[in-house]
Amino acid sequence: KAGVTQTPRYLIKTRGQQVTLSCSPISGHRSVSWYQQTPGQGLQFLFEYFSETQRNKGNFPGRFSGRQFSNSRSEMNVSTLELGDSALYLCASTWGGETEAFFGQGTRLTVV
Amino acid sequence: QKEVEQNSGPLSVPEGAIASLNCTYSDRVSQSFFWYRQYSGKSPELIMSIYSNGDKEDGRFTAQLNKASQYVSLLIRDSQPSDSATYLCAVNMNSGGYQKVTFGTGTKLQVIP
Repeated sequence: KAGVTQTPRYLIKTRGQQVTLSCSPISGHRSVSWYQQTPGQGLQFLFEYFSETQRNKGNFPGRFSGRQFSNSRSEMNVSTLELGDSALYLCASTWGGETEAFFGQGTRLTVV
Repeated sequence: QKEVEQNSGPLSVPEGAIASLNCTYSDRVSQSFFWYRQYSGKSPELIMSIYSNGDKEDGRFTAQLNKASQYVSLLIRDSQPSDSATYLCAVNMNSGGYQKVTFGTGTKLQVIP
């Protein structure tokens, strides 16, 4: 059974650019959550999608957005990148949002 | 009050000792509790799930749950240097009418050889 797949693994972008990250959940899982983690910090919740609908949203500016497709794959987009957006972005999938969450390997974004 | 609270540490224990990691949570109707281990620069890995009051053992790991006190803990017996990592407590909580797993900020464990 394949795990959660995130692409790309590493990204370097310039301030002002935008970026799209992808997450393919475990087969059968319908909920995908996104987190931002900066060095020494805990997981900062971005948003959760379930059956193509955003169910929960964290306290991040509108530059951070996401979507989920009918096959449960999810993308998150960050527009007008800032240096402070440099972080490890993690996605986690669960069957319905309340069960064990399984994480992908993460995408490490560096903004220069 | 934070929804899921952990001491950030670092918690330092000598090799071979018992490491005790603690977590409290705010939603008294929560039913599902998880412990994750995260090595530096890596993604969190699920190591234990617990749903009922009492202890659950898996190898050197024991999760303890006390719903009345809204408290969950993780004991690591015979701690090894390879156990050095950040341990995240996660709790299933009601959020906006839906159930969502909420994470604590983690406790950093250092096992000293």
